[in-house]
Parts: sequence; structure tokens; C-alpha cells
Amino acid sequence: EIVLTQSPATLSLSPGEGATLSCRASQNINSYLAWYQQKPGQAPRLLIYDASNRATGIPDRFSGSGSGTDFTLTIRSLEPEDFAVYYCQQRKSWPITFGRGTRLEIK
Amino acid sequence: EVQLVESGGGLVQPGGALRLSCAASAFTFSSNAMSWVRQAPGKGLEWVSAISESGDSTFYADSVKGRFTISRDNSKNTLYLQMNSLRADDTAVYYCAKRLMAIWYFDLWGRGTLVTVSS
Repeated sequence: EIVLTQSPATLSLSPGEGATLSCRASQNINSYLAWYQQKPGQAPRLLIYDASNRATGIPDRFSGSGSGTDFTLTIRSLEPEDFAVYYCQQRKSWPITFGRGTRLEIK
Repeated sequence: EVQLVESGGGLVQPGGALRLSCAASAFTFSSNAMSWVRQAPGKGLEWVSAISESGDSTFYADSVKGRFTISRDNSKNTLYLQMNSLRADDTAVYYCAKRLMAIWYFDLWGRGTLVTVSS
């Protein structure tokens, strides 16, 4: 099973600042990684797929990068609605696995 | 409106069974692979099971293999999860989710249904 390790667990920033979230895979997953955003009481929302492709309707302040084992989600100039929990997910091999999440909170 | 709506959750005793349903609307259900993902209270996301468009191929997490069965009825635009031999650690919100195109990410999620396993 591929383990995804997200860091940091919690990130405290202010609106307008930039955010960098990390996801590391336990083995090479090529570019087969997605990022999701989840707000309290809501289902996850797909942000980025295959490491760097924005999903439909996702603002361009969200960007993804990386390949192999190290991946980054970057949020340029945080908006108030961006404070949420972010998860990465791999599709390289079964079982599909998620990281444990990074909580992005308002400082 | 394109949506997924889960139902069938509730309180069940350990060792009991429950069947979840997920009704799809406003998209071609039979052309899309589907999955179940769960989230224990206050915890992260855990993939549970997946099924191909026709239902011929199914996949399970080790934690549920042999206890849960995923199925679908394309004539009813509905996805199912039969859960047997339920344990306390199966307590979670269960989401159904649609696969993105032909790649195993999830671009449409339901609001979830809560399953609580407790005596």
C-alpha cells in the first residue's frame, strides 16, 4: 500500500498570504496525485488532478506541482474561503490511498 | 442538477448489516465508474470500494474485503454498498463519489450518510 505523508499537519496563515502544502509518497507514483479541499460538514472537492491539472471551476490561485514522490499544492494569496482541510490522493496502485490531511487555519 | 444522494445510514449493532444506496441524477450514470469513500468522525478520508461502469470489476480496501459488497443498478441510476459483520471502527460518514473521466480521482461527491456501529 502506498502511504502518503502530508505536512505540515496544521498551517496557520493570514488572508492574502501564500500557502505551500506538501505530500510525500512512500514510493514513486509518477504524477498520479490529486488534491482535495474539505470544509466542515461538506464533502471533499477536487482541486488538482495528475499533480498539476486544475479541476473544472477551480480558481487559478490553486496550483499543483511535483512528480515521483514529492508533491506540492500552492495557494497564491489566500482568500477567506480557502481555510479548510486539504487531502492528497494517489491513483498509482490499488488500494487508492489518501494522506491524513493538512488543516489550513486562519492566523 | 448533477448530484449524488446517499441514503441508508443509521445506527446498527456490532455484527449487524446495513445497505447504503447512492442515487445519481443529471449525468449518464452507466458511463461512469463509482466509488465509496468514508470518513470516521474527526478523521481523514479512507477509500472503501470501487466499481467499474458495467459492474464487472470491483475493488475493495483490505479493511472491508469479505464483509462489504459494492454493486450498481444502471437501470435505476443507483450505487449500493452492502455492509455485513459491521464493527465499531466502521463508524463513519460514507460518501459515494464519481470517477473523473477514466482516471481514479473523484470529481463529484454526495453529501454522505452516517453509519454508527454501537451497542
